[in-house]
Amino acid sequence: AQTVTQSQPEMSVQEAETVTLSCTYDTSESDYYLFWYKQPPSRQMILVIRQEAYKQQNATENRFSVNFQKAAKSFSLKISDSQLGDAAMYFCAYRRMNSGYALNFGKGTSLLVTP
Amino acid sequence: DAGITQSPRHKVTETGTPVTLRCHQTENHRYMYWYRQDPGHGLRLIHYSYGVKDTDKGEVSDGYSVSRSKTEDFLLTLESATSSQTSVYFCAISDRPRDQYFGPGTRLTVL
Repeated sequence: AQTVTQSQPEMSVQEAETVTLSCTYDTSESDYYLFWYKQPPSRQMILVIRQEAYKQQNATENRFSVNFQKAAKSFSLKISDSQLGDAAMYFCAYRRMNSGYALNFGKGTSLLVTP
Repeated sequence: DAGITQSPRHKVTETGTPVTLRCHQTENHRYMYWYRQDPGHGLRLIHYSYGVKDTDKGEVSDGYSVSRSKTEDFLLTLESATSSQTSVYFCAISDRPRDQYFGPGTRLTVL
């Protein structure tokens, strides 16, 4: 089974600063998807960003970008110009191209944003 | 937002009682999933469905069963609830590998 590891249980960032959340994964597949999900206190799971493994270009969504290192099996999330509303749990997830398309999640990183 | 609802949103029950959680979608997506979320574990797959009456087990399926008689509904049943099944349960839907959308979650407490 694929494993996803988030080594930072908690992170803190000041408003307007930049923070990077780390994620590593283990797989023998060559094609797959990687995701970052945000879970605010409302508990809703919100898709932040998606990366296709066959794409060399790193995905970007407004203030959110990833650093995808396929050989190193690393997938970090960078949040620029952090806002108070970014405070949440962030989950890294892996998904195979086939096999029912289920997600394998990391244990999450709790992000605190301070004024 | 994807049209996914879960019912009930909160439930408290006693050990040994049967419990059924419902997931309803209006998106006509083929794939549906049940996950549970526990502190320190992230989200873990319980069961999933790849079509009407087609289901398969996930990582933590013991003690759970599922049914899907219609495209829009995916039911998760705890035949005899235990305290270890106290958790937050999420339903998700998908029609393509790229995307998976989550429902609002159900908080279940087994006393």
